Amino acid sequence: GAVVSQHPSWVICKSGTSVKIECRSLDFQATTMFWYRQFPKQSLMLMATSNEGSKATYEQGVEKDKFLINHASLTLSTLTVTSAHPEDSSFYICSATGGTWAEAFFGQGTRLTVV
Amino acid sequence: AQKITQTQPGMFVQEKEAVTLDCTYDTSDQSYGLFWYKQPSSGEMIFLIYQGSYDEQNATEGRYSLNFQKARKSANLVISASQLGDSAMYFCAMRATGGFKTIFGAGTRLFVKA
Repeated sequence: GAVVSQHPSWVICKSGTSVKIECRSLDFQATTMFWYRQFPKQSLMLMATSNEGSKATYEQGVEKDKFLINHASLTLSTLTVTSAHPEDSSFYICSATGGTWAEAFFGQGTRLTVV
Repeated sequence: AQKITQTQPGMFVQEKEAVTLDCTYDTSDQSYGLFWYKQPSSGEMIFLIYQGSYDEQNATEGRYSLNFQKARKSANLVISASQLGDSAMYFCAMRATGGFKTIFGAGTRLFVKA
């Protein structure tokens, strides 16, 4: 199956700093990428949908100025958590689809800890 | 609005036995897809099986089968011959045909006992 690589797999940062998470589709062109957030023992919550070359669409309640999403190419989307605070600590996971709507491939996830 | 309900927070099964994980859904879409994913402790989401709303036969993938009852709006996952490596969180998910937005249920944690 298709491969989506997410980096880093874990990161610890100081409060007030920004953190960038990358999501790459390695063997297909990802026309659409999704960013999810998952709290411990909870389900995945969709944060935003990004299409290559256009602005991301954020779900209600997600601060777009805090969670900056860039989908500059068909193989790369980035999520930047700006001015991170301890409450931003979570597991972030991306998924990508190449246009076959039935298939969405997930990255390995990034565990963010803000101290 | 779409909604996925998984009512079993946790399930136990003896190794080599079969287990059914429940999933019910609600949607106004006529055409949609139902998915099951496995999430081990490492966090990655592993695709298991897919069922289209117009598929007449239940989907099967190896030890996984999906018991699709459209009238009841249920899409239960059946795992046959459970293995210790099956211990993980399992999520039921749904996507409207032609759309890309996926919604997930709350998940069921499966524990396989030796």
